[in-house]
Amino acid sequence: KAGVTQTPRYLIKTRGQQVTLSCSPISGHRSVSWYQQTPGQGLQFLFEYFSETQRNKGNFPGRFSGRQFSNSRSEMNVSTLELGDSALYLCASHPHRDSYLAFFGQGTRLTVV
Amino acid sequence: AQSVTQLDSQVPVFEEAPVELRCNYSSSVSVYLFWYVQYPNQGLQLLLKYLSGSTLVESINGFEAEFNKSQTSFHLRKPSVHISDTAEYFCAVTNTGGFKTIFGAGTRLFVKA
Repeated sequence: KAGVTQTPRYLIKTRGQQVTLSCSPISGHRSVSWYQQTPGQGLQFLFEYFSETQRNKGNFPGRFSGRQFSNSRSEMNVSTLELGDSALYLCASHPHRDSYLAFFGQGTRLTVV
Repeated sequence: AQSVTQLDSQVPVFEEAPVELRCNYSSSVSVYLFWYVQYPNQGLQLLLKYLSGSTLVESINGFEAEFNKSQTSFHLRKPSVHISDTAEYFCAVTNTGGFKTIFGAGTRLFVKA
């Protein structure tokens, strides 16, 4: 099976712009979660989707949003980018039967200048 | 709510020496416990997990961790480290009925020749 695919791998954006990141989970996995990783804050949970519905949400401002499509692919969007949004954004895919297991993609490195 | 504390941010050690990475957690409900490893510019990979049963769990590359309920700890150990073990290690917890994994701040293991 192919692993979790995140695109793009690297991205540079300017303050005030918006960005969309994509995640394709492992085939057959219907749950996807997103994390933000920074040196200062570590790994912080953004949100989790299952069958196109958001089931859990972390403590991030409304500028951070996400969605999941019928094929389980997920996107996250960050609007009005700030310098502090620079981070590695990780997507994890979860099997239905053992949903506590997380299979991570390689991440998207976002730099806001 | 759950929380995870990794007591050491960095652990330098010489090759072939033993190492212990410490992790304590807090939770009012039953949890599953995990160790993940992250190599530079990569996503996280599951190293080992404790779900139930034997409190000592092992990985295929020589790491082991012991669940201690009374001390709420899940320390990671390896009797003899290799240069290739240099990476960041994350302890994580999720409640047995939930879908959100909480990560510790990470411990950077640096193996010196």
